[in-house]
Amino acid sequence: KAGVTQTPRYLIKTRGQQVTLSCSPISGHRSVSWYQQTPGQGLQFLFEYFSETQRNKGNFPGRFSGRQFSNSRSEMNVSTLELGDSALYLCASGKRDGDTQYFGPGTRLTVL
Amino acid sequence: GQNIDQPTEMTATEGAIVQINCTYQTSGFNGLFWYQQHAGEAPTFLSYNVLDGLEEKGRFSSFLSRSKGYSYLLLKELQMKDSASYLCAVIGGTALIFGKGTTLSVSS
Repeated sequence: KAGVTQTPRYLIKTRGQQVTLSCSPISGHRSVSWYQQTPGQGLQFLFEYFSETQRNKGNFPGRFSGRQFSNSRSEMNVSTLELGDSALYLCASGKRDGDTQYFGPGTRLTVL
Repeated sequence: GQNIDQPTEMTATEGAIVQINCTYQTSGFNGLFWYQQHAGEAPTFLSYNVLDGLEEKGRFSSFLSRSKGYSYLLLKELQMKDSASYLCAVIGGTALIFGKGTTLSVSS
């Protein structure tokens, strides 16, 4: 069974731009969560989707948004990029809410 | 509030046993996970505890005490490939809250 896939793997943007990241969960998984990982803060929860509904949201500004499609694929969007948004963005999927989450390889975003 | 504490760094030698501790204070508790993350890679699932006690899986074991808000990950017969960051995470509700991770360096 294929694992979680994320595209693109690497991205370079400049301040003020916006970016969309994509995540395809493991087949049969309906829960998708997004995390931001930085050296200083570690892994921080962004949001979680289940059956196209946002079930939980972390403490991030409104510039960070996401959605989930009927096939469980998910996207997250960051608008008006700031230098501090440079990070590894990880997506994880699980069969259902609260289930073990399996991570994708991440998207490395660099904001210049 | 939500708080998960684990040591920042640990060192050990090949063949040894190491215990990585994790204490947590969260508004809800539906289970505790341990993940391993090698540099530049995604976290990989190691263990899940929801009831008190020890869960053993090969060279790795994980222990949970819910009353004490405490868990540990025990790694036996350490190998060089065990050099990685070990992340403790608590699921309260549906969101996983992570500690900042413990970087383990294994030397020969």
